[in-house]
Amino acid sequence: DTGVSQNPRHKITKRGQNVTFRCDPISEHNRLYWYRQTLGQGPEFLTYFQNEAQLEKSRLLSDRFSAERPKGSFSTLEIQRTEQGDSAMYLCASSLGLAGVGTGELFFGEGSRLTVL
Amino acid sequence: DQQVKQNSPSLSVQEGRISILNCDYTNSMFDYFLWYKKYPAEGPTFLISISSIKDKNEDGRFTVFLNKSAKHLSLHIVPSQPGDSAVYFCAASGPWGGATNKLIFGTGTLLAVQP
Repeated sequence: DTGVSQNPRHKITKRGQNVTFRCDPISEHNRLYWYRQTLGQGPEFLTYFQNEAQLEKSRLLSDRFSAERPKGSFSTLEIQRTEQGDSAMYLCASSLGLAGVGTGELFFGEGSRLTVL
Repeated sequence: DQQVKQNSPSLSVQEGRISILNCDYTNSMFDYFLWYKKYPAEGPTFLISISSIKDKNEDGRFTVFLNKSAKHLSLHIVPSQPGDSAVYFCAASGPWGGATNKLIFGTGTLLAVQP
């Protein structure tokens, strides 16, 4: 399968614990995005990488959230001291070009669902 | 603020009829608009897009119409099939300045196509 891969698919944790999600983008895509989706809402932008550089972060990304993309390949999203409000689907996407332009459509993974008890 | 809005949370259509999904936006600087489809337990998948310099783009049963003066776009599915039942998201991108590069999504419309 050459699509975007996310792990784990589902994580249940207790409030205050740290969690980490991993995303493996489509291999030739140099742009990688993290989104969060809650029930009844559309995907909300969290952060964007071009190669290994994190170029944009949403205000939604509090200081408890950190994302990395070492070597410009896979990416990790870590949430420290989780809160119940962090419960959501965390989606990773990758693209070849600028978002929405020509070949810049975003390809999404199946998401990592976080449940904070 | 919600820059991309889908005011209809759900839509039910008979198989074979036309489905029309609507989307409004507030930022006149958006350059591209896209529609994504999402089945349960899967990530969104790209369906069709349109540039702001066009007013129509067609791909098989799917057509997207853009009315820039009204800041409104719509997705037409003709004929609708039961397999089209999914959540449809409208998304917009641009303008790109500096490091900005992302899609902004609406809240989605759940389409149910009845056999």
